[in-house]
This record gives sequence, C-alpha cells and structure tokens, in this order.
Amino acid sequence: KQEVTQIPAALSVPEGENLVLNCSFTDSAIYNLQWFRQDPGKGLTSLLLIQSSQREQTSGRLNASLDKSSGRSTLYIAASQPGDSATYLCAVRPFNFNKFYFGSGTKLNVKP
Amino acid sequence: DAGVIQSPRHEVTEMGQEVTLRCKPISGHDYLFWYRQTMMRGLELLIYFNNNVPIDDSGMPEDRFSAKMPNASFSTLKIQPSEPRDSAVYFCASRVGPSGQGDSGELFFGEGSRLTVL
Repeated sequence: KQEVTQIPAALSVPEGENLVLNCSFTDSAIYNLQWFRQDPGKGLTSLLLIQSSQREQTSGRLNASLDKSSGRSTLYIAASQPGDSATYLCAVRPFNFNKFYFGSGTKLNVKP
Repeated sequence: DAGVIQSPRHEVTEMGQEVTLRCKPISGHDYLFWYRQTMMRGLELLIYFNNNVPIDDSGMPEDRFSAKMPNASFSTLKIQPSEPRDSAVYFCASRVGPSGQGDSGELFFGEGSRLTVL
C-alpha cells in the first residue's frame, strides 16, 4: 500500500522568504502527484499536477518537482506572502489505480 | 464551471438520526469520490464511482454508511443511524476519466459538508 508522508507538519516563516515543502511516498510506481491547498473550513484547491513522466510544474510563484526514483516531491514557494498561509497536502495516484493517497499536510504560517 | 457542489455545508444532528449528504460533480467528470477528513486520521477515501457504478467501497467504515449515484450529476452519502464518532468533514471530489487526449487525472474537490453528531 502506498504511504505518503509530509514533513514538517507545521512551518512558520517571515513574509518574503522562499520555502520548500516536502512530500515522500513509498512506492515509485505512480501515475501522477497532485499538490493541494486547504484553507480553514474550506475544501481542497488544486495547485499543481505532475504526471509521472514530468520532472516539474510551475504556476506563478509555485514550483513542484517530482523525483520518482527517490519517492519525493517538493513544492517550492517563492517570496512567500501572508495569503499563502494554509495547509498544503500532496496526493499520489498509483499506477493502474484510481485511488489517491494523501499525506497529512504541512500547515504553513507566513508572518507579516 | 461551478465546480463540485456539496450540500449541506453544515449539519448538526443527534445520535441515531439519519444523515444524507449530497454531491453534484463537475459536468463531464467520470469519477466521483467520497472522502472523510478528521484531525486524527486525515483524509480517508470512503468510496468511489466510475460512470455511476461503485468501484471500490473498501473504505466505508460500517454498514451504517451507504452511497449511491443514480445518475452522472448526483450522488448521496447516507449514514443511518449516525453516531458521534461520525463527526467529520465529508468531501466529494470528481475527475475526468481517460479520453483520446489522455488522462490528466486532476482531482477537484467540493467545499465539504461538516457533520456534527451530538
């Protein structure tokens, strides 16, 4: 069974700092990996989707990378802002499966 | 597109009562997923459908839980009878299936239904 781990569970940084969130998974046979953002009391908003054949995806200040061989993905946030404060979750879809396995998330606080 | 729509957003009920949660997936999406989120267990997949057919319900915790998808635009998750330990946020998500252009597989979530069972 695929296991997804996100470390750290919480992170607090000053505004303007560049930061990296980590996601690791145990089985490298994945179809894709998706990063989500969740604000308190809200649903999950899709940020980036990386297919297994891709190494990275970029959207604005966000860049997600994927290294299947090591079972790792990182979400890089450039020039962080207080509005980036939220919980960030990664989800892995194994190859030939339609299930997504979620990490427990990293709660980010960007201080003004 | 309106996105995945769930109702009710909040539900407070007493133990033993029946609870029905509703979901309208994004039009054209072939897959529908029901998740439950708690602080202790995070996001758990309960059941998912493909073209209105339940494919995997191994995550449904007990027989008290049931889910249906009578058509491509509507699904329900029912709990009968409800118990305090069912208190959680229930999410519905959908995604498009494989097509001639491949399978992007991007998953879209609704805003969730927060259930409190007293």
